[in-house]
Amino acid sequence: ETGVTQTPRHLVMGMTNKKSLKCEQHLGHNAMYWYKQSAKKPLELMFVYSLEERVENNSVPSRFSPECPNSSHLFLHLHTLQPEDSALYLCASSHQGGNTGELFFGEGSRLTVL
Amino acid sequence: GESVGLHLPTLSVQEGDNSIINCAYSNSASDYFIWYKQESGKGPQFIIDIRSNMDKRQGQRVTVLLNKTVKHLSLQIAATQPGDSAVYFCAESPNSGYSTLTFGKGTMLLVSP
Repeated sequence: ETGVTQTPRHLVMGMTNKKSLKCEQHLGHNAMYWYKQSAKKPLELMFVYSLEERVENNSVPSRFSPECPNSSHLFLHLHTLQPEDSALYLCASSHQGGNTGELFFGEGSRLTVL
Repeated sequence: GESVGLHLPTLSVQEGDNSIINCAYSNSASDYFIWYKQESGKGPQFIIDIRSNMDKRQGQRVTVLLNKTVKHLSLQIAATQPGDSAVYFCAESPNSGYSTLTFGKGTMLLVSP
């Protein structure tokens, strides 16, 4: 069982659809993250949850709505997206208070908005 | 604003050569630096990290060098192998309670047999 699992791996949706991305971590970490990876751009931090509380929201449009029901699960709810939102969405987790700031990433959900 | 960037977008080497990937950062308050490797179709994977109180750290076939004077970070890969072909990202973070890594754009390393 991999450390950080994301589903679905690929998603195609229209601009009027509502869908959700799911992330689950099996590492016992207490922080989870959503990153956006677009072509030719650095990884962009979207949201951070620490101990299930949202601690960072990097000016992300409201059409992206995160949810963290417990320390092992993280969702990204999507609605009325735009074609420029097409990207790879990466979930990550980490242990806060540990010796390193290492993030453990999932393999990503490739989103295409038509 | 603060940024982390890479000097070379693509690096092509022959198998067995040593590879050096460079990274510049601008946030003088950065305390922690990390290198990630991302293979096609996969998420980034941790390679090695270094804190600002060190200038060198070695792992298995990899070495990270930190020059705080010129705000420069490099990743050295010894005896590069085809399996090392990937995009390499550097990232930096201030000393905070949770990881808010700022990533560079990435360098593609291509290893020819």
